[in-house]
Amino acid sequence: NAGVTQTPKFQVLKTGQSMTLQCAQDMNHNSMYWYRQDPGMGLRLIYYSASEGTTDKGEVPNGYNVSRLNKREFSLRLESAAPSQTSVYFCASRISGQGAYEQYFGPGTRLTVT
Amino acid sequence: QQQVKQSPQSLIVQKGGISIINCAYENTAFDYFPWYQQFPGKGPALLIAIRPDVSEKKEGRFTISFNKSAKQFSLHIMDSQPGDSATYFCAAAWATPLVFGKGTRLSVIA
Repeated sequence: NAGVTQTPKFQVLKTGQSMTLQCAQDMNHNSMYWYRQDPGMGLRLIYYSASEGTTDKGEVPNGYNVSRLNKREFSLRLESAAPSQTSVYFCASRISGQGAYEQYFGPGTRLTVT
Repeated sequence: QQQVKQSPQSLIVQKGGISIINCAYENTAFDYFPWYQQFPGKGPALLIAIRPDVSEKKEGRFTISFNKSAKQFSLHIMDSQPGDSATYFCAAAWATPLVFGKGTRLSVIA
């Protein structure tokens, strides 16, 4: 069991470039999440997918798009990167259901936009 | 309404001492309160969690104390060790994505 995997681990973009962050989980979880982590700001939710075929905005969705490709995979796309999107991005997943709240996180992608 | 406030922002504790991190919430619908531990360069990992029907939960050296009437919960790390040095996040949820506090950077010095 690899758990939650993310690619790439590191990325440097120039302002205006686009890229897609990939996330996959092998735990048969229904729900998947994208967070960004900035110093002193904690973990802020960008988008989430409660189940295959659905996506919803979180706290900071501007400048991002997501795709729930199938039950395993949930990608995050930056269409036109900005320096404000320099951050560490974490994908997480959890099983859905009453009281089933434990989230498992991937190792993160460190993105720098110059 | 969704906010979880965490304090302190940073904490330095002597080896063998007790580390205490506090969180407060507003939304009384929250029914799950986890603490996550994050080491540098790694993703957060669940450390311990509590439901509001109990006032305390202990796992090894880690204890959550929960005060429903005050809408507060705290993490106590007994006999703190240098290996406990990490960032700790409290969070809350109720059939929604977890809402996280801003984190506490703990340093345990020998």
